[in-house]
Amino acid sequence: GNSVTQMEGPVTLSEEAFLTINCTYTATGYPSLFWYVQYPGEGLQLLLKATKADDKGSNKGFEATYRKETTSFHLEKGSVQVSDSAVYFCALSLDNNFNKFYFGSGTKLNVKP
Amino acid sequence: DTAVSQTPKYLVTQMGNDKSIKCEQNLGHDTMYWYKQDSKKFLKIMFSYNNKELIINETVPNRFSPKSPDKAHLNLHINSLELGDSAVYFCASSQLDIQYFGAGTRLSVL
Repeated sequence: GNSVTQMEGPVTLSEEAFLTINCTYTATGYPSLFWYVQYPGEGLQLLLKATKADDKGSNKGFEATYRKETTSFHLEKGSVQVSDSAVYFCALSLDNNFNKFYFGSGTKLNVKP
Repeated sequence: DTAVSQTPKYLVTQMGNDKSIKCEQNLGHDTMYWYKQDSKKFLKIMFSYNNKELIINETVPNRFSPKSPDKAHLNLHINSLELGDSAVYFCASSQLDIQYFGAGTRLSVL
């Protein structure tokens, strides 16, 4: 089947620390991979995406590389800010069915000043 | 202009009542969704419509009935509300591989 597994939170970091949130997937086809972010009281919004193996998605200082050999799409940021505090969701969709998305369980990030 | 808007933002009601949540998107997308997010932030797809046709119907009690009067609107009606229905419900729309979410409706069943 198709599924996404991400590390459990919450993750608590000090400002300017390095962030990694792990995400692995299983897919029956060739997935596109996504990270969505949900700020408090808001809906999810796309943070970055990668559509094929070895692609790197990046946005707002966040990066994730599509690793087919390890079926992973880990999210990283070199120096987090308090404003990055949010819940982060890893997701996939299959290229033969963009109508269906599979989301991970979300990882809450708390960044302290 | 809000791309995906849903109303109401908060909904507090008694068990057994019937309620509706409305969703509208002005992005011109063909596909719309309803998701349920529980207290642990787990996001579960409920329904998906493409051009007013139901294409995804996950294992959801038949007390939940989506209705799409046109491709810009997807409403969710819930009959005989139960305590376990308390959650945040998100509407979303997509074109190809990116989803756009509304701000959510927090439903509390007392």
